[in-house]
Amino acid sequence: EIVLTQSPGTLSLSPGERATLSCRASQSVSTSYLAWYQQKPGQAPRLLIFGGSSRATGIPDRFSASGSGTDFTLTISRLEPEDFAVYYCQQYGSSPPWTFGQGTKVEIK
Amino acid sequence: QVQLVESGGGVVQPGTSLRLSCGASGFTFSSYGMHWVRQAPGKGLEWAAFISYDGNKDYADSVKGRFTISRDNSKKMLYLQMNSLRLEDTAVYYCARGIAPFDPWGQGTLVTVSS
Repeated sequence: EIVLTQSPGTLSLSPGERATLSCRASQSVSTSYLAWYQQKPGQAPRLLIFGGSSRATGIPDRFSASGSGTDFTLTISRLEPEDFAVYYCQQYGSSPPWTFGQGTKVEIK
Repeated sequence: QVQLVESGGGVVQPGTSLRLSCGASGFTFSSYGMHWVRQAPGKGLEWAAFISYDGNKDYADSVKGRFTISRDNSKKMLYLQMNSLRLEDTAVYYCARGIAPFDPWGQGTLVTVSS
């Protein structure tokens, strides 16, 4: 099973600042099979990024992602008020289990 | 638009059973694999079960032998039969479309296992 470790656990930032979230895998993950999700309180997760760096439909371009192998990064260039949420990375290789990181909470400073 | 709606959650005692349902609309249900993902209160996301478009199934070790995923393509419905429920199965259960990535997700249904 591939274990994903996200850091930091909580990121305290102000609107307009840049957010950088990390996701580290216990073994190499194909870039094609790495996704990021956003979850707001009381809501279901929403797909942000798939295939390592492709934005899902309707996701603004302030969200970007990069990485390869075992180290991946989600960047929010300028935080908007609606971006304060919990973010999860996920690996979805060809075989189960499909695993998630434990999440990074981006909170208002 | 693509929509998934879960139902069937509730409060049950340990050792009992519950069946969750997920209704799909807005897409060709029979062409997609489907997942159940759960989230314990205040915790992260845990993948639970998957069924392919043609009925192949996979389970997380934590639910294997107790939970059964199934689908009825004619009704555009996904199910999760949960037996021998434990306190640690308490969670919001989401259905999600797609073998990978998971998109979209339903709004979730809460299962509480409590004595």
